[in-house]
Amino acid sequence: QITLKESGPTLVKPTQTLTLTCTFSGFSLSSSGVGVGWIRQPPGKALEWLALIYWDDDKRYRPSLKSRLTITKDTSKNQVVLTMTNMDPVDTATYHCAHVRLEDYEGNYYYYMDVWGKGTTVTVSS
Amino acid sequence: SSELTQDPAVSVALGQTVRITCQGDSLRSYFASWYQQKPGQAPVLVIYGKNNRPSGIPDRFSGSSSGNTASLTITGAQAEDEADYYCNSRDSSGNHLVFGGGTKLTVL
Repeated sequence: QITLKESGPTLVKPTQTLTLTCTFSGFSLSSSGVGVGWIRQPPGKALEWLALIYWDDDKRYRPSLKSRLTITKDTSKNQVVLTMTNMDPVDTATYHCAHVRLEDYEGNYYYYMDVWGKGTTVTVSS
Repeated sequence: SSELTQDPAVSVALGQTVRITCQGDSLRSYFASWYQQKPGQAPVLVIYGKNNRPSGIPDRFSGSSSGNTASLTITGAQAEDEADYYCNSRDSSGNHLVFGGGTKLTVL
C-alpha cells in the first residue's frame, strides 16, 4: 500500500524560505517510471502543479516558479523535499505530494498521480 | 492562466449522464488524467491513460478524447459524485504538467 505524508511549518513570514518534506512508503523512488510530485491549492482555488522528481533524478518545475523552487530526493530515507524561496502571502495554500507514474501507450508517454498525501496547510503572514 | 480549460460548473440530474470536458492544444498529443476532489479532502484519481480506472473507482466513470478535448463521462450520476473535477496533462512543451481550472459538479 502506497502512502505519502507531507510535513513542514504551518506559518512562514514573507520573504522566508519554505521547506516541505514528503515521507512515503510502499514504493521505491529508484524504480523506473516512478516519480513524486508537489501540487498546491490556494484556498477556494484550483490545483496547481509545482514540481516533479523522477526515479532517475530528472527534475521539472512549474515555469512561473522555477527560480524559487528546488526539489530533491533521499531514496534511503524515502523522502522528497521541496523548498520554495521568497515566500509571499499569495503562496498561502494546501501543499500536497503525490506518487506519480509515467507510462507508455503506443509511444505516448503520459503521467498520472495515483496516490496523494492529505496535504499540509501553509499560511504566509507576518 | 491554465493551458487546460474546463467549464467552471456543470449540473446533472440524479441517475442521468454528464460529460465534463477539458480543452487544450497539448491534448492532441498527450492523454489527460482526471481527479475528483470533495471538500476538505485530497484529490482522488478517477481516470488515467486512454481510459483506465484505478481499483475502487466505479465503472460509471469513463474517459475519452477527441482532437484537443478530453472528456470525463459519468453514466448514471450518483449523489456521492458531487465534487470538483480536475483534468491534468502535459503542457504544450511536453516538459511540464498542468491542471485545468476545475469543474464543480452538482447532482440535482
